[in-house]
Amino acid sequence: SYVLTQPPSVSVAPGKTATITCGGHNIGVRNVHWYQHKPGQAPVVVIYYDTGRPSGIPERFSGSNSGNTATLTINRVEAGDEADYYCQVWDRGGDHLYVFGTGTKVTVL
Amino acid sequence: QVQLVESGGGVVLPGKSLRLSCAASGFTFSVYDMHWVRQAPGKGLEWVAVISHDAASQKYADSVKGRFTISRDSAKNTLFLQMNNLRPEDTATYYCAKVGITGTDEVFFDFWGLGTLVAV
Repeated sequence: SYVLTQPPSVSVAPGKTATITCGGHNIGVRNVHWYQHKPGQAPVVVIYYDTGRPSGIPERFSGSNSGNTATLTINRVEAGDEADYYCQVWDRGGDHLYVFGTGTKVTVL
Repeated sequence: QVQLVESGGGVVLPGKSLRLSCAASGFTFSVYDMHWVRQAPGKGLEWVAVISHDAASQKYADSVKGRFTISRDSAKNTLFLQMNNLRPEDTATYYCAKVGITGTDEVFFDFWGLGTLVAV
């Protein structure tokens, strides 16, 4: 089955940039989606189809995808950005049709 | 506004059954495929099952295939997950999720519920 690997944690000071990676074999040919998940809340999609940003998501959130790594970038980080972040792809024929990354805890210092 | 509200979770013994429900509102339920996703305590998200908008197709993760059944009642705007022969490793918060686009399997989830906790 397809595996998506994320760093367990990322720490960033307010106002700085957080970069969250999602590694997978040839992930650049797949469409990657990113979710923000805060404790006790429903997950929220922050980036879809690599670079799309849903309405209501700040422009500070952006995505890219190439080669073996997809990346979620959060510019000018705010305290409210502290959450777990997951990447996700579709894996036709896999034992899980929809695969999530291992998740990254973003801590705002 | 879109709302998804899960219910039916609880504590059950291994080998027993549980039926989860997800009440949907704020969108045309019958148009969208619907999914269940779970999160074990301290772990990441795991996709569980999907049902097509017209209930003609259901697909499952290998870890639940043959034990779980996804269904929907579009007259009542409700999604279900029948879970049989539950195992301790099924302990998780179960979320229902709506797809963000129609006409393709390669989707993202644009709305999720708050989840319901199942402890086996």
